[in-house]
Amino acid sequence: AQKITQTQPGMFVQEKEAVTLDCTYDTSDQSYGLFWYKQPSSGEMIFLIYQGSYDEQNATEGRYSLNFQKARKSANLVISASQLGDSAMYFCAMRDLLVGDKLIFGTGTRLQVFP
Amino acid sequence: EAQVTQNPRYLITVTGKKLTVTCSQNMNHEYMSWYRQDPGLGLRQIYYSMNVEVTDKGDVPEGYKVSRKEKRNFPLILESPSPNQTSLYFCASSFIMQRPKNEQFFGPGTRLTVL
Repeated sequence: AQKITQTQPGMFVQEKEAVTLDCTYDTSDQSYGLFWYKQPSSGEMIFLIYQGSYDEQNATEGRYSLNFQKARKSANLVISASQLGDSAMYFCAMRDLLVGDKLIFGTGTRLQVFP
Repeated sequence: EAQVTQNPRYLITVTGKKLTVTCSQNMNHEYMSWYRQDPGLGLRQIYYSMNVEVTDKGDVPEGYKVSRKEKRNFPLILESPSPNQTSLYFCASSFIMQRPKNEQFFGPGTRLTVL
C-alpha cells in the first residue's frame, strides 16, 4: 500500500533562513505524483508544488523547491528565505491513480518561523 | 473565480441529527472527493466521484453518504452523526485527464462538532 511519512511533527526556523521539511514515500508504482500543501491557521489547503516521478529536474516554485531523490523515495520541501507568513502546517501527499484517484497524505509538519 | 465552495463552514450539532454539508465547484471538474482531517492522522478520503452518478468509497466511508446528481455538486450526508465524526472536512475537485499532475482544488473546509 502506498504511504507517506513525515517524521517531523514540528520545526522552528528563524526568519530569512532556509528550512527543509522531510517527506518519504512508499509505492510500487512507476508513475506517481507528489504534492506539498500548506495549511495556515485559517484552515484552507494551499497547493505549493508538484513533482512527477518521471520529471528529470527538481520542481521549483518561487521560494519553494522540492529535493526529489527517487532512489531514496524522498521528496523534501525546501523553503528558502523563510517569512513569518510561512508559519503553518505543511502536508506532503502522493496521488494514488489506482484506487479512487485520491491523495494520500502524511501527518504533517508544523512550521513556526520566529523573528 | 475558479473555486470550490462548502457550506456551512462551521457546524455544531447533536448526536443523531441528520445533516448535509454541501460542496460545489465551478471548474467543470469530473472528479470530486471528500476528506476528513484529524490531528495526527492527516487527511483521509471518505468518498469520491469520478463523474455524475458514479461514486465510490474511500478509506473511511462508515457513517457517511454522498450523491452526485449534477457535475458541479457533491454533498456529504451524515444520516446519524456521532461524536467520532467531529472533524474538519474538505471537499476537493480536479480534472481526470492529465493525471497525476493535475492539481486537486480544495474547498475552504467545514469544521463539524457533534455533541
